[in-house]
Amino acid sequence: QSVLTQPPSASGTPGQRVTISCSGSGPNIGSKTVNWYQHLPGTAPKLLIYSNNQRPSGVPDRFSGSKSGTSASLAISGLQSEDEADYYCASWDDSLHGVVFGGGTKLTVL
Amino acid sequence: EVQLVQSGAEVKKSGESLKISCKGSGYSFSSYWIGWVRQMPGKGLEWMGIIYPGDSDTTYSPSFQGQVTISADKSTRTAYLQWSSLKASDTAMYYCARLVATSGNYFDSWGQGTLVTVSS
Repeated sequence: QSVLTQPPSASGTPGQRVTISCSGSGPNIGSKTVNWYQHLPGTAPKLLIYSNNQRPSGVPDRFSGSKSGTSASLAISGLQSEDEADYYCASWDDSLHGVVFGGGTKLTVL
Repeated sequence: EVQLVQSGAEVKKSGESLKISCKGSGYSFSSYWIGWVRQMPGKGLEWMGIIYPGDSDTTYSPSFQGQVTISADKSTRTAYLQWSSLKASDTAMYYCARLVATSGNYFDSWGQGTLVTVSS
């Protein structure tokens, strides 16, 4: 049981916009920033969004993040086949004194 | 360029000990926390713990406290994850990652992963 809650799956067709939600609580998302990672099979996870809505250099602006209260979301616009991957939200948790991950969302591009 | 290079895949038997490594380059190794993350087969990412190589300050996830030991040698720019007695349930991919703590806490660079297979 993950501390952060994500839907197990999401899907969309090429060109569509999809969003993935992430729900937490006060000690984590409620008081800390949210980060998102993209994980393609057989590769290392990649930082996609940090500090709620910041993109590292090289990440397309099709990816965006937002946070409100104890929830956050990742939006992917102009969906492409190469976006098919697992997506994880993460945050710091003050009560656990460490990083907490969501259970991951498997994105399928139909 | 920041790089984290992990040691190769391991195949062990239950009860054996193991130490895997993560070597950093391209940045001030002593000044950034290094974290370890587990991914069991078909499952999600789980944070195991972090270490600050500068002074070896270490924090463990409650789920992994007492189950593994995280250490670092700043002279060789290497972090380690070790087990004293492996179990079949330790079979997983293990990633190390650099933690940026200045503006939120996030892992900005990851190692390629070390696959650990434990047979009973």
